[in-house]
Amino acid sequence: EVQLVECGGGLVQPGRSLRLSCTASGFTFGDFAMSWVRQAPGKGLEWVGFIRSKAYGGTTEYAASVKGRFTISRDDSESIAYLQMNSLKTEDTAVYYCTRDTYGGIFDHWGQGTLVTVSS
Amino acid sequence: DIQMTQSPSSLSASVGDRVTITCRASQGISNYLAWYQQKPGKVPKLLIYGASTLQSGVPSRFSGTESGTDFTLTISSLQPEDVATYYCQKYNSAPRTFGQGTKVEIK
Repeated sequence: EVQLVECGGGLVQPGRSLRLSCTASGFTFGDFAMSWVRQAPGKGLEWVGFIRSKAYGGTTEYAASVKGRFTISRDDSESIAYLQMNSLKTEDTAVYYCTRDTYGGIFDHWGQGTLVTVSS
Repeated sequence: DIQMTQSPSSLSASVGDRVTITCRASQGISNYLAWYQQKPGKVPKLLIYGASTLQSGVPSRFSGTESGTDFTLTISSLQPEDVATYYCQKYNSAPRTFGQGTKVEIK
């Protein structure tokens, strides 16, 4: 069974940093791209970014709203994807979901999400 | 960037009704369109990909069609468990943009 478990969320002040982790199990992690999607309270889904598998260069793409502040990385030996968030803003407050990204951008499995609150 | 516009933003229908949600892409995306269902307080779930391919385990009352840059999600007979917000998402290229969502309620 595919499982994705996020951790690392919490309350952080504007301008500070936070790193989220997504631990995967139930599939060959290194064969898949991984995406992060967020959802602000009471709002819709917003794609944050993704990291390709090593077979496709392990490169990353980001939404314009987070480019230059957020970085996605992966540790295939541990089956973990990371979302490093720097220079956080109040508008980054959201539940952050880790997703398995398959067939070039279909999110077929989602984690339970972790809440990030950016507030002074 | 390509924009994804869903309509309506919300709807209320009776059990057994046929429900249709539309998603329009601002440019061509071929059939690189997925639909997700998010029930209240729950994690989003993939329903359809490739504009019309039903994800394994999804009830057959859900279907998707494509006509140029217009995409439609249809629930043939609305059930109480279908109360949710539905999102389209394009994946032909980055950014993998979502529509703004359509909230479906029971009348």
